[in-house]
Amino acid sequence: GNSVTQMEGPVTLSEEAFLTINCTYTATGYPSLFWYVQYPGEGLQLLLKATKADDKGSNKGFEATYRKETTSFHLEKGSVQVSDSAVYFCAAGGGADGLTFGKGTHLIIQP
Amino acid sequence: NAGVMQNPRHLVRRRGQEARLRCSPMKGHSHVYWYRQLPEEGLKFMVYLQKENIIDESGMPKERFSAEFPKEGPSILRIQQVVRGDSAAYFCASSPDRNQPQHFGDGTRLSIL
Repeated sequence: GNSVTQMEGPVTLSEEAFLTINCTYTATGYPSLFWYVQYPGEGLQLLLKATKADDKGSNKGFEATYRKETTSFHLEKGSVQVSDSAVYFCAAGGGADGLTFGKGTHLIIQP
Repeated sequence: NAGVMQNPRHLVRRRGQEARLRCSPMKGHSHVYWYRQLPEEGLKFMVYLQKENIIDESGMPKERFSAEFPKEGPSILRIQQVVRGDSAAYFCASSPDRNQPQHFGDGTRLSIL
């Protein structure tokens, strides 16, 4: 089956700083890759996705590129805002197997 | 369009009781997934259902847990004879087909006294 490893949190940054949250995966085959965001007390919202190697997913200033050679899908944003504070989950898979999630990275942005 | 609706948002049960968690998928979605989130951990896949069929239950505990998605009405995750270790957030997700991204509900937070 798949497994997903993402950097441990919390990650604390100042507003307008550059963000990277690392995510690597192991899988049989080439799964789709996702980043989800969870705000306090809410469910997960799809942030972005990539379905094949070298695809770049992007949304709301966040980007991640499907890197087959390094089995990675790192999340980046050039200038974070306080409103970006949340827990971010990297996930792999989809289809009949469901999604395999990382443990989540708590991001705290200070004004 | 209404999103994935889960109820109740919070559920408190005593050890030995039954817990029933409901999930209404987004309109037009016939694929439902259940996940469990333990404190400080990511979501763990439990079961994948289509209308009236369980497609994959490889993540379901072998005992006390069951799930259904009847022809009419919401999907139900049922936990019998609950124990303290069942305390978690349970999330439901739906998609229009197995190759489309899953959309998540806000979860049911189950607390066992």
